[in-house]
Amino acid sequence: DSGVTQTPKHLITATGQRVTLRCSPRSGDLSVYWYQQSLDQGLQFLIQYYNGEERAKGNILERFSAQQFPDLHSELNLSSLELGDSALYFCASSVAGTSHNEQFFGPGTRLTVL
Amino acid sequence: SQQGEEDPQALSIQEGENATMNCSYKTSINNLQWYRQNSGRGLVHLILIRSNEREKHSGRLRVTLDTSKKSSSLLITASRAADTASYFCATAYSGGGADGLTFGKGTHLIIQP
Repeated sequence: DSGVTQTPKHLITATGQRVTLRCSPRSGDLSVYWYQQSLDQGLQFLIQYYNGEERAKGNILERFSAQQFPDLHSELNLSSLELGDSALYFCASSVAGTSHNEQFFGPGTRLTVL
Repeated sequence: SQQGEEDPQALSIQEGENATMNCSYKTSINNLQWYRQNSGRGLVHLILIRSNEREKHSGRLRVTLDTSKKSSSLLITASRAADTASYFCATAYSGGGADGLTFGKGTHLIIQP
């Protein structure tokens, strides 16, 4: 158990809908990273928040957004969903604001868009 | 796009044998990390090696890093059935500032009993 929690575990929805994925980092970690894992694209970094502020953006679509709250939990919002958004979404946390330390991954949320 | 490329894509060995996986990357890095993933579940951090290190050990794991060749290898000794999983290398860019990890496509390791 990494100490990072993600809810829900599974999400099934229809195209055009909007969903919110939630992540709670390990106690003491200030950074939250979001990653998407799909069969064709593999594991891709989406976005990072550090202590409530956006720190870095990766391959995140404009239809996707995220935020980190004062209690450090984070939410990833996916809107206007398409079939190709079906994937595993992971969040990871680390103590520092850079990737110079190990990241601890949550169990993931499996999103299926029908 | 992914920076790291693991080799081989899949590896099947007998229990007790050693397993070696390789990873190549493209840009300069601060560190390289190896993760394990069991069957679509969360990633488990195995080991981190910094750009100024050449070799690191952790239990049955041995990682090497050759920054001149932009490559790394992960050796698992005395493999066990429980080692069956996908293994990913991930690099952290050295250019400063914040950024996420860049993952390779992974090596799927199967340990035959």
